[in-house]
Amino acid sequence: AQKITQTQPGMFVQEKEAVTLDCTYDTSDQSYGLFWYKQPSSGEMIFLIYQGSYDEQNATEGRYSLNFQKARKSANLVISASQLGDSAMYFCAMREGGRGQNFVFGPGTRLSVLP
Amino acid sequence: EAQVTQNPRYLITVTGKKLTVTCSQNMNHEYMSWYRQDPGLGLRQIYYSMNVEVTDKGDVPEGYKVSRKEKRNFPLILESPSPNQTSLYFCASTPNEKLFFGSGTQLSVL
Repeated sequence: AQKITQTQPGMFVQEKEAVTLDCTYDTSDQSYGLFWYKQPSSGEMIFLIYQGSYDEQNATEGRYSLNFQKARKSANLVISASQLGDSAMYFCAMREGGRGQNFVFGPGTRLSVLP
Repeated sequence: EAQVTQNPRYLITVTGKKLTVTCSQNMNHEYMSWYRQDPGLGLRQIYYSMNVEVTDKGDVPEGYKVSRKEKRNFPLILESPSPNQTSLYFCASTPNEKLFFGSGTQLSVL
């Protein structure tokens, strides 16, 4: 079974609008971390945001926020005020505490921002 | 500048010819790992290392070897590459949570 599910292979959003990228995860660990990474067409992996399983507040980093719903095992990324430069591949990832530092990634969502 | 350096950036080889992709980090991180990225599958962990001389298999270790003789270096070795190992490879390191990635190595095995 997939540990990280991203159900949206591709998304479109109008410039300046907000967009939510979905991510659900599966783990039996109590301690884990959730991440989002951005991969532009140039190929590098850019860290966006992190949420620890014990963090009570949703993480925010500038225009990025992580909507963490622990009971539903979801960690959706919200991008506010989309910009053309946000067009990229976005990966949700999880660090499982039970297996040392095993990081698991989802299949990704390709976001296209329309002018 | 803090960074993870991978080499080469692009590599074309033939089936069965041993190759090594190098990875080096200058941040004194204990944890390092290798991933391969394939369309529709995201990144999958190949091997990881918690410290010098400590390595463990990730989710897709078959056909790969690694070594960690010193903290800064974590090379990925393909003893006998096959076409199904054509992929984009990333090395990463972390002090705790956030992964720092190298710029990637695009490998094509003919």
